[in-house]
Amino acid sequence: KQEVTQIPAALSVPEGENLVLNCSFTDSAIYNLQWFRQDPGKGLTSLLLIQSSQREQTSGRLNASLDKSSGRSTLYIAASQPGDSATYLCAVRPLNTGNQFYFGTGTSLTVIP
Amino acid sequence: SQTIHQWPATLVQPVGSPLSLECTVEGTSNPNLYWYRQAAGRGLQLLFYSVGIGQISSEVPQNLSASRPQDRQFILSSKKLLLSDSGFYLCAWSRAGARQPQHFGDGTRLSIL
Repeated sequence: KQEVTQIPAALSVPEGENLVLNCSFTDSAIYNLQWFRQDPGKGLTSLLLIQSSQREQTSGRLNASLDKSSGRSTLYIAASQPGDSATYLCAVRPLNTGNQFYFGTGTSLTVIP
Repeated sequence: SQTIHQWPATLVQPVGSPLSLECTVEGTSNPNLYWYRQAAGRGLQLLFYSVGIGQISSEVPQNLSASRPQDRQFILSSKKLLLSDSGFYLCAWSRAGARQPQHFGDGTRLSIL
């Protein structure tokens, strides 16, 4: 069974700092990996989707990379802002269970003004 | 553009009472639909998914059921709620196809007394 881990569970940084969030998964046989943002008490907002054939995706100050063979993905946030404070989750979609997404437990990010 | 609506936003129910949560998607047809539960400090757990009207797959045995009476409507139900049913329930949709991203609703906070 696919297991997804996100370390650290919580991260606090000063405003303006660049930061990296990590996601690891145990089975590299995936269709894709998706990064989400979740604000307290809210649903998930999709940030980036990386297909298994891709190495990275970019959107504004966000850049997500995927190393499928090593079972790792990173979400890079440039010039962090207080509005980036949220929980960030990653999810993978395995090849053998096409309708099942496996989620990590997230990294809670606080950007200090 | 596509939108997903989920209601109610919060719900407080006594043990043993019935449950009905509703999710609707606009702006797309024949979506895949998903119900997740998010417990405090834990990752998202997939409860049900549907690839078409009347087609429901259950991922875990539980006290809940799901139905899809219309193409863009997904309902989560229970005949008798248990204390363990408390949690944050999220509905999501994706286009058909394994390489499509998931998009989430705002969630329902369910508290069982």
